[in-house]
Amino acid sequence: AQTVTQSQPEMSVQEAETVTLSCTYDTSENNYYLFWYKQPPSRQMILVIRQEAYKQQNATENRFSVNFQKAAKSFSLKISDSQLGDTAMYFCALRMNRDDKIIFGKGTRLHILP
Amino acid sequence: KAGVTQTPRYLIKTRGQQVTLSCSPISGHRSVSWYQQTPGQGLQFLFEYFSETQRNKGNFPGRFSGRQFSNSRSEMNVSTLELGDSALYLCASSLDPNRGAGYTFGSGTRLTVV
Repeated sequence: AQTVTQSQPEMSVQEAETVTLSCTYDTSENNYYLFWYKQPPSRQMILVIRQEAYKQQNATENRFSVNFQKAAKSFSLKISDSQLGDTAMYFCALRMNRDDKIIFGKGTRLHILP
Repeated sequence: KAGVTQTPRYLIKTRGQQVTLSCSPISGHRSVSWYQQTPGQGLQFLFEYFSETQRNKGNFPGRFSGRQFSNSRSEMNVSTLELGDSALYLCASSLDPNRGAGYTFGSGTRLTVV
């Protein structure tokens, strides 16, 4: 069975700092997708970044980047120049290529402090 | 373009009743998935529909059911409600998950069972 583990339940950083959220996963398959989703108090899950397992290059979206270590099954999210609007719950998620369901981690609650 | 629309936003039901939640996906998206989010269990996959067919189902009792219409709108039904069914129910739509397309989530329906 596939699992996703986020070891940091809660984090706080000062505005403009860089923060890294950790995620490890487990799967015996080779073809899969990894995601980071953000859930602000508005409840809507927003896709932050996506990584295809067969691509070695780490995905980047503006201030958000990932460190994808396939052999170590690690997928961390780095937020640079953090902003107050980044305050939210962040979920790491895994989806097998052959399947439609997304397996989510328990989430990391991130607070950006002014 | 319009996002994923879930109705109603909030719902209060009594134990033993049944409830129907609605999800309208992004125009052109044929895949609709449902997730249950609770503080204790996190985000759990309920089921996924594609072109009116249920393709995948999570580990939920038969009281949880769904369907998808020809216009891709989906409904989820929970019968004989229990207190433990209180949760945020999220719907997500995708253009083509088998090609690795990401999912766009709605803002959810907050169900409270009393």
